Amino acid sequence: GQNIDQPTEMTATEGAIVQINCTYQTSGFNGLFWYQQHAGEAPTFLSYNVLDGLEEKGRFSSFLSRSKGYSYLLLKELQMKDSASYLCAVRDGAGNTPLVFGKGTRLSVIA
Amino acid sequence: GAVVSQHPSWVICKSGTSVKIECRSLDFQATTMFWYRQFPKQSLMLMATSNEGSKATYEQGVEKDKFLINHASLTLSTLTVTSAHPEDSSFYICSASIGAGASYEQYFGPGTRLTVT
Repeated sequence: GQNIDQPTEMTATEGAIVQINCTYQTSGFNGLFWYQQHAGEAPTFLSYNVLDGLEEKGRFSSFLSRSKGYSYLLLKELQMKDSASYLCAVRDGAGNTPLVFGKGTRLSVIA
Repeated sequence: GAVVSQHPSWVICKSGTSVKIECRSLDFQATTMFWYRQFPKQSLMLMATSNEGSKATYEQGVEKDKFLINHASLTLSTLTVTSAHPEDSSFYICSASIGAGASYEQYFGPGTRLTVT
């Protein structure tokens, strides 16, 4: 079956760094995505990893280890507006197949 | 970037009625669109894959006769919730991908919040 695990909630301080972990067990693997979702809004794309290693994009970085079925999203210099849910999603098939989403991690940034 | 719109953004309907939700790709053509449903504090659950010009592919447990999907053009897919019941109240989100490049990145619409009374 498909299983994507991530912590339910996390709290971090403004200006700090937070790492959100994601582990997956899927029938196939063709890329891992991270999305940000504010309450009542649609998800917005943050990052994409298909090869092992770290992808950096401004304050956000994402890491992938395919052998371990593991990814993390790293948020630096946290801002209050970063309070949101962060969704880990895996594409488990070739081409334009749908994504399998984890339940999301609700991040609260406090002053 | 690619823009996907949904209409309406929210709707309240009475039990037993039908509701149509539109998903449009505004600046690109999408041969495939996806429909998701999200309950409060839950993740996105894929309902169906909508393919232009052919029948939709439904996920296990999703009633195709209740959730009618039509993908009549490369920029429009519609989801009709027929004979709605209160348990159908949810946040419905569509997504579309350009279908080019390695990532096949999905762009999400803003979602439609359906409340059935």
